[in-house]
Amino acid sequence: QVQLQESGPGLVKPSDTLSLTCVVSGYSIRNNNWWGWIRQPPGKGLEWIGYIYYSGSIYSSPSLQSRVTMSVDTSKNQFSLNLTSVTAVDTALYYCVRSGSDGYMIDYWGQGTLVTVSS
Amino acid sequence: YVLTQPPSVSVAPGKTARITCGGNSIGTKSVHWHQRKPGQAPVLVIYYDNKRPSGIPERFSGSNSADTATLTISRVEVEDEADYFCQVWDSSSDHVVFGGGTKLTVL
Repeated sequence: QVQLQESGPGLVKPSDTLSLTCVVSGYSIRNNNWWGWIRQPPGKGLEWIGYIYYSGSIYSSPSLQSRVTMSVDTSKNQFSLNLTSVTAVDTALYYCVRSGSDGYMIDYWGQGTLVTVSS
Repeated sequence: YVLTQPPSVSVAPGKTARITCGGNSIGTKSVHWHQRKPGQAPVLVIYYDNKRPSGIPERFSGSNSADTATLTISRVEVEDEADYFCQVWDSSSDHVVFGGGTKLTVL
């Protein structure tokens, strides 16, 4: 059973870096899948942040690309997201996800973690 | 690329619910549907327009043609009450796109 679990601070100060980690269990992160991040601000729709492959290849949203860094740690079977220079608009429920080999279909989601940007 | 869903759909138990996802020539794309219940991880319920993952009831089905994709839930049960999101990969921008989501209420 594939499971994904997000972790990270629930509160981040404006201008700081938001850092989240997603631990994958029941499945090797080195398999032929893309791993990614989705967020949903309060009262708004789902927004795709980006995907990373275990080799380090990345697709990311053009609107966030300049502030997003993603990485994979195969030894810990986990992947991470860093979002720099956050503001209140980055307050959201953040999900980690698994996608198929082509990236077209998201087939597993984490439960989500709420991150609030506030001083 | 924009996907448009109705904000809400209501249906009585035992009836059929249809949730639409509109997009320009969406019939040329592969559409996937996700179900999200409060406090739970979202679940994929339909992929590649009309395929059901293991464990998803046969009551869930999908179709996709022209400018509209549709998620159909037959013989709706109270447990089907949830938010439903359509999702595509937009190959013109290498970007995942979601619909705004539809809240299904089972009356």
